[in-house]
Amino acid sequence: GEDVEQSLFLSVREGDSSVINCTYTDSSSTYLYWYKQEPGAGLQLLTYIFSNMDMKQDQRLTVLLNKKDKHLSLRIADTQTGDSAIYFCAENEGGGSYIPTFGRGTSLIVHP
Amino acid sequence: ETGVTQSPTHLIKTRGQQVTLRCSSQSGHNTVSWYQQALGQGPQFIFQYYREEENGRGNFPPRFSGLQFPNYSSELNVNALELDDSALYLCASSLVRGREGYEQYFGPGTRLTVT
Repeated sequence: GEDVEQSLFLSVREGDSSVINCTYTDSSSTYLYWYKQEPGAGLQLLTYIFSNMDMKQDQRLTVLLNKKDKHLSLRIADTQTGDSAIYFCAENEGGGSYIPTFGRGTSLIVHP
Repeated sequence: ETGVTQSPTHLIKTRGQQVTLRCSSQSGHNTVSWYQQALGQGPQFIFQYYREEENGRGNFPPRFSGLQFPNYSSELNVNALELDDSALYLCASSLVRGREGYEQYFGPGTRLTVT
């Protein structure tokens, strides 16, 4: 079955860049997503990438996709304390089906 | 705020009981999805409803059932509660069926504790 793996923790200093990594196993994944979850809140979609793309940039966020290695990363430039949260990678096969698979999440801690 | 609301915020039930969780979609959205998020885990997809019909289901037993109403609000029902059902239950609404979820807006969730 599908599997999405993420490292559990990342600690960075304010102002530095953060890179959160994700690997997935389903080669038919069509859409890949990054979500952010703050304490006590639901998930907020940050960005997504279609599998025929290598990179997507949106303000401070850069998503890189290596389809050959099934590796997805999210880079946050100039990380702020407000970026402290749990970040989830998710994939969906597409093709009309909708059964997304989420990773366990990476807890990003930003130190002043 | 996404405009998606869920009730109740917290709930405590006893094993074997039944529970109903409610979700009010963002205005204009016709699709709702439900997720279970256990502590320290990512969300697991339960099912999705589009225009009052089930439109996809994850690996959950039949005692997890749902409804979507003509106004597109939704309920998640869980029968014969088990201790492992303790989790945060999230609903998410979106506008167009089959749009792969990138237009989903999540509610804050209902925290269910089964004792």
